[in-house]
Amino acid sequence: GENVEQHPSTLSVQEGDSAVIKCTYSDSASNYFPWYKQELGKRPQLIIDIRSNVGEKKDQRIAVTLNKTAKHFSLHITETQPEDSAVYFCAARAGTALIFGKGTTLSVSS
Amino acid sequence: GAVVSQHPSRVICKSGTSVKIECRSLDFQATTMFWYRQFPKQSLMLMATSNEGSKATYEQGVEKDKFLINHASLTLSTLTVTSAHPEDSSFYICSAFLAGVAGEQFFGPGTRLTVL
Repeated sequence: GENVEQHPSTLSVQEGDSAVIKCTYSDSASNYFPWYKQELGKRPQLIIDIRSNVGEKKDQRIAVTLNKTAKHFSLHITETQPEDSAVYFCAARAGTALIFGKGTTLSVSS
Repeated sequence: GAVVSQHPSRVICKSGTSVKIECRSLDFQATTMFWYRQFPKQSLMLMATSNEGSKATYEQGVEKDKFLINHASLTLSTLTVTSAHPEDSSFYICSAFLAGVAGEQFFGPGTRLTVL
């Protein structure tokens, strides 16, 4: 089955800096790669996603890149703000079920 | 966007009792729903895939006789934790799959289970 690795597990940046989180997946059949932000005790919130027919997608300060050959995808957050502090999860889907990475705790200090 | 609800949001029970958690898709029909478990400071781990009208598919290591899943309608899936023990204490989250070109998955708000 699918296996998703996510790095780093923790990331601390200064407000205004950029943050990058990287994930790799194992199943070449995976074709959908969402990123979620989760606050303590809440449901995951979809922040951006990318499908396998696209190499890059951007939404304001957030961008995701996908390298199908290398089977890795990355989340880029520019101009970070304190409210970006949360746990971020990448996921991959080959059929219908999402398989999640272990998560990255992002801390943005002002 | 599509809305998924879960009930209850929190439950505390004694060891040995059974607890039922409901997951409902409120404004769409979901032939497939998923159940995840999340321990503190850990990721969401897929427990099982629930298909309407058929038996659930459990992930390796998840006991099907302990975690009973019923998906009796296109808008409701239930997870029953039988003979709960303190190690079953966790955050249980369901999600519903909206089929189509987009194929999006919508998450419920989660249920915090504490077993004393």
